[in-house]
Amino acid sequence: RKEVEQDPGPFNVPEGATVAFNCTYSNSASQSFFWYRQDCRKEPKLLMSVYSSGNEDGRFTAQLNRASQYISLLIRDSKLSDSATYLCVVAYSGYALNFGKGTSLLVTP
Amino acid sequence: DVKVTQSSRYLVKRTGEKVFLECVQDMDHENMFWYRQDPGLGLRLIYFSYDVKMKEKGDIPEGYSVSREKKERFSLILESASTNQTSMYLCASSSMDRGLGQPQHFGDGTRLSIL
Repeated sequence: RKEVEQDPGPFNVPEGATVAFNCTYSNSASQSFFWYRQDCRKEPKLLMSVYSSGNEDGRFTAQLNRASQYISLLIRDSKLSDSATYLCVVAYSGYALNFGKGTSLLVTP
Repeated sequence: DVKVTQSSRYLVKRTGEKVFLECVQDMDHENMFWYRQDPGLGLRLIYFSYDVKMKEKGDIPEGYSVSREKKERFSLILESASTNQTSMYLCASSSMDRGLGQPQHFGDGTRLSIL
């Protein structure tokens, strides 16, 4: 049973495009949600937390749909530097996080 | 900023060796974690610790042990290294849960090769 599922991609988009990633989770008791970014051969870094009301950080918008158990990440005006793998992360306990396998994004000139 | 430091970026060891991977965090976090990451498999939790001298098995603890003698330090031990333990190892830390999962902060990772 996969607790957190993501489309692995890759998503190839031109600079300036808008791209959206979705992620589904299986545990309805999940309480906390995050998006992480991981560059090639680097460690994952927290991109943003996801709140029930949805939240925005610059060009990035995260949405949570508890009824359907999915999370989304929208990137507007894509930059070359946005190229990375985006990990969807869900927590239902106080300690451990469940990581999706990631969605690969390549932004091209 | 949270700083999680892993002792080595790259490590090469031989089959059967006992291998120690060290991790130190400077944010007084209660929780610390060890993961391995392999292509196509994503991050897999090996062990975690929520307090000094406390440890809990993750999803793939076999062949590993851990030690947490001080709050800031969490060590991963490969008792007898095998080639299938060649991987990227990532240490992470997070603050105490207040009923919600807290985000984890990762070290740079150790690329371990077992020959």
